[in-house]
Amino acid sequence: DIQMTQSPSSLSASVGDRVTITCRASQGISTYLNWYQQKPGKVPNLLIYGASSLRSGVPSRFSGSGSGTDFTLTITSLQPEDFAVYYCQQSYRTPPGFGQGTRLEIK
Amino acid sequence: EVQLVESGGGLVQPGGSLRLSCVASGFTFSDHYMDWVRQAPGKGLEWTGRIRNKLNSYTTEYAASVKGRFTISRDDSQNSVYLQMNSLKTEDTAIYYCARFYIPWGGSLDVWGQGTTVIVSS
Repeated sequence: DIQMTQSPSSLSASVGDRVTITCRASQGISTYLNWYQQKPGKVPNLLIYGASSLRSGVPSRFSGSGSGTDFTLTITSLQPEDFAVYYCQQSYRTPPGFGQGTRLEIK
Repeated sequence: EVQLVESGGGLVQPGGSLRLSCVASGFTFSDHYMDWVRQAPGKGLEWTGRIRNKLNSYTTEYAASVKGRFTISRDDSQNSVYLQMNSLKTEDTAIYYCARFYIPWGGSLDVWGQGTTVIVSS
């Protein structure tokens, strides 16, 4: 199975900050990498697919990059509604594992 | 509106069974693969299984943690997907989500239900 490892596990930041979350796959997955946001008590929401394609309706302050084994999710100018848990997921091969999540908290 | 609605969760004793349902609306259900994803209390997301469409013979795949105990099926005439859970263990306690596997977006899960809670406890 392909293992997905996110770093950091948690992150404190302030409104207006720029943050980067990293996701590493245990083997190459091309660009079959997706990012989800989950707010407390809510359903996960797809933000980015194909490593860098922004889902319609997702603010442009979110961006993704990477291919192969190393990927990043960047949020520029953090907004209050961005504080949540973020998960990466590979969809290259079954089982489509998720990273352990990165909790983004308000500093 | 594209929507998935799960039901069937509840409290069950270890060793027991439960059947979850997920009803889709707002899209051509029969075209799509469907996934189940679960989330234990305070934990991350765990992919549970998938059922493909008729074109792909309704084949299924499962996470190792549930293989042999859980079975996914679907009824395209009812726009529904099911998760039959047998031999339940306390570690199966979780919110269970159904989600649409969207091939044009690289197999991402673009639509999620609101989830249904399963508690396995004596």
